[in-house]
Amino acid sequence: EAGVAQSPRYKIIEKRQSVAFWCNPISGHATLYWYQQILGQGPKLLIQFQNNGVVDDSQLPKDRFSAERLKGVDSTLKIQPAKLEDSAVYLCASSLQGPLHFGNGTRLTVT
Amino acid sequence: AQSVTQPDIHITVSEGASLELRCNYSYGATPYLFWYVQSPGQGLQLLLKYFSGDTLVQGIKGFEAEFKRSQSSFNLRKPSVHWSDAAEYFCAVAPGGGSYIPTFGRGTSLIVHP
Repeated sequence: EAGVAQSPRYKIIEKRQSVAFWCNPISGHATLYWYQQILGQGPKLLIQFQNNGVVDDSQLPKDRFSAERLKGVDSTLKIQPAKLEDSAVYLCASSLQGPLHFGNGTRLTVT
Repeated sequence: AQSVTQPDIHITVSEGASLELRCNYSYGATPYLFWYVQSPGQGLQLLLKYFSGDTLVQGIKGFEAEFKRSQSSFNLRKPSVHWSDAAEYFCAVAPGGGSYIPTFGRGTSLIVHP
């Protein structure tokens, strides 16, 4: 089966700019997750979708981060405006009923 | 809330030597436990998981882990390390009861010397 696809792989922006990441989960996986992985730390959950509804966004900094999964398949994560501390790898994962499957991530550098 | 402690930030071993990566968790009930591996520039790959039953679980790439309830530990082992095992290893805990959403430890970086 095809894995979780993410794009772009790398992104460099200046602070206060906006950026968007895209994720295509494994076909048939109803649940989709976005994680933030800061250098030297484990991944931290930002938001969880079940189909096109948000299940948990308690760790999402909603003043600057937003995410959507309009048709219950692909998802986008947006940061506007970006701060230096947003530099991280953003991982998308999906699951059906079991362990999560992760994509290769998008490495964001904010200068 | 659950938490995971990986006490070793870096571990250095020689190729062919045995390996043990430590993981301790804090959670009231019996959680689901996982080990993931992350190679440079890659996402997280599931090595093995524990849900219930036999406390010694086998995973991919020759890895195994043992769940010890009395010590709240889930240490990862491999009898003979290969240079390609050099990567970041993450222990994770999920609430269980059908919830698989992991909380990750900070990771242990494995360095393999020839």
